[in-house]
Amino acid sequence: DADVTQTPRNRITKTGKRIMLECSQTKGHDRMYWYRQDPGLGLRLIYYSFDVKDINKGEISDGYSVSRQAQAKFSLSLESAIPNQTALYFCATSRQLSTDTQYFGPGTRLTVL
Amino acid sequence: GDSVTQMEGPVTLSEEAFLTINCTYTATGYPSLFWYVQYPGEGLQLLLKATKADDKGSNKGFEATYRKETTSFHLEKGSVQVSDSAVYFCALSDPNTGNQFYFGTGTSLTVIP
Repeated sequence: DADVTQTPRNRITKTGKRIMLECSQTKGHDRMYWYRQDPGLGLRLIYYSFDVKDINKGEISDGYSVSRQAQAKFSLSLESAIPNQTALYFCATSRQLSTDTQYFGPGTRLTVL
Repeated sequence: GDSVTQMEGPVTLSEEAFLTINCTYTATGYPSLFWYVQYPGEGLQLLLKATKADDKGSNKGFEATYRKETTSFHLEKGSVQVSDSAVYFCALSDPNTGNQFYFGTGTSLTVIP
């Protein structure tokens, strides 16, 4: 089984709808991250969590919220989806040191019509 | 602030050609440096990393050397294969910024037979 899983893998929704993307990990890492990937822009950090009680905004948090339900689970919500949130979303996990690798999920492709 | 700049793509090479993808960085501390690879339809996975100056990371025939004097971490491979076709991301993790990751915009590589 994959170490980092994301559900759903694909989602098409309409403007104004509330959407939740879920991420689970079995690596036992404390740190979890949500990124979005857009063509030509690389990966941009939305939110990150260093442990269950520590959640921080990233570079582009406006329009998004998160919930860290447990060490292994980190959800991303779009309260009222808009078309420019159409993107590929990745969850990642890591340990605490700067030398530690981030491990990525397979991604969720979200389309907002 | 911290940032990563990598070579614009797309890059198209013939099989067995030499590959270089340039990456330079700006960081306030002493970062760790990473190359990630993203195959079509998949999440990012670690290709190689280097955690201190003059370290060389290597994996699957790819190499990159951490050059503090030129703030660079260029990716090289002596003979590319069709299976190397993917998007390559340079990244850094800086202990001065809570070990956040900063990614470049990605370089798309296509290798033709």
